[in-house]
Amino acid sequence: DTEVTQTPKHLVMGMTNKKSLKCEQHMGHRAMYWYKQKAKKPPELMFVYSYEKLSINESVPSRFSPECPNSSLLNLHLHALQPEDSALYLCASSQETRLAYGYTFGSGTRLTVV
Amino acid sequence: LAKTTQPISMDSYEGQEVNITCSHNNIATNDYITWYQQFPSQGPRFIIQGYKTKVTNEVASLFIPADRKSSTLSLPRVSLSDTAVYYCLVGDTSGNTGKLIFGQGTTLQVKP
Repeated sequence: DTEVTQTPKHLVMGMTNKKSLKCEQHMGHRAMYWYKQKAKKPPELMFVYSYEKLSINESVPSRFSPECPNSSLLNLHLHALQPEDSALYLCASSQETRLAYGYTFGSGTRLTVV
Repeated sequence: LAKTTQPISMDSYEGQEVNITCSHNNIATNDYITWYQQFPSQGPRFIIQGYKTKVTNEVASLFIPADRKSSTLSLPRVSLSDTAVYYCLVGDTSGNTGKLIFGQGTTLQVKP
């Protein structure tokens, strides 16, 4: 299995809702990432997990809460989001947190906040 | 991470060779150059990575001059399906930060 699987593919949520994005990989990768991508813009790094520990938080608002329950799973919990948080949320994984190892991205979750 | 500069967009026709150049004037000694491809509503896909001279795989070639201040991604005989955004990234592959930072990318439009 050489894929990163993200669910759901599409999500519409209200500003008072609580929802979660899920990411799964079975490649034995020990680093996992969350990126946010707005239309016509490059992906922006949000969080980096290395060996199931949060190693980088790029000053992301607390309404985004990441969680890594085990080495194969990465969640992003969403609460009290704003319409400007609407974007494509991408998960990626790599063997370790070194750029020499190619990063494998999922197809993303298209999030719309209404 | 070293900053990269690429053309915002390029047009080509099917069957042509496409060369996308990336400038990275402040590349560091330990930095490698990596290219990713992204189709609409999909995640980026790793294409190729190199340190110096030339690297070739089944998809593309990467040319890096001796001073390493720029690099050129070469796509042979493009087809309509090569229409995508191409990102050049430069970073220390021996580092442990995991900070893969994307620049603006080059939107390649392949026409019939």
